[in-house]
Amino acid sequence: DTAVSQTPKYLVTQMGNDKSIKCEQNLGHDTMYWYKQDSKKFLKIMFSYNNKELIINETVPNRFSPKSPDKAHLNLHINSLELGDSAVYFCASSQASTTEAFFGQGTRLTVV
Amino acid sequence: QQQVKQSPQSLIVQKGGISIINCAYENTAFDYFPWYQQFPGKGPALLIAIRPDVSEKKEGRFTISFNKSAKQFSLHIMDSQPGDSATYFCAARKGGGNKLTFGTGTQLKVEL
Repeated sequence: DTAVSQTPKYLVTQMGNDKSIKCEQNLGHDTMYWYKQDSKKFLKIMFSYNNKELIINETVPNRFSPKSPDKAHLNLHINSLELGDSAVYFCASSQASTTEAFFGQGTRLTVV
Repeated sequence: QQQVKQSPQSLIVQKGGISIINCAYENTAFDYFPWYQQFPGKGPALLIAIRPDVSEKKEGRFTISFNKSAKQFSLHIMDSQPGDSATYFCAARKGGGNKLTFGTGTQLKVEL
């Protein structure tokens, strides 16, 4: 009965590799997000999709590409991983007409 | 440019004491101010939120005080318990938008 689920929870990979993180929500929300939390715990939005349409695209390297096959899923693909990409990535969802954002448990990405 | 400034960075409180975390913002277009609680290894979870048309909101031991003229808001945790030990984030959202801008977080430790 998990509301926002991300896979994998941990991801260790070498520099230069390409990896994907998957996110699914079963709350019936129409808006999904990706946030990045760095080593100092600072949380910053990366992307937001509403009904499969990209509505927020912060200043993120174009090596990061979100994909939303339907409004319950928002995946994050990262090309040519760099050491600085190491962080915890959180998926979240909300209903556009309300305000609360529900977060997943995060994916800890470590690039070595 | 940090749009939402949060202090202190860390806080140690004795059990039963009052924990106070402060935030200040600059953008007067913000119209929704939530506080999120994050435990280690978990995603942030909404704790309590306020809109600028009220000066205070209380839910159980948690109270938000809001000063619109000073553009400041704070979280008060009464009768702090060891189970409250977590990282707390204030956030702000512009009217009509979905993007949450987070503060830098406060690591709270409640000691016995």
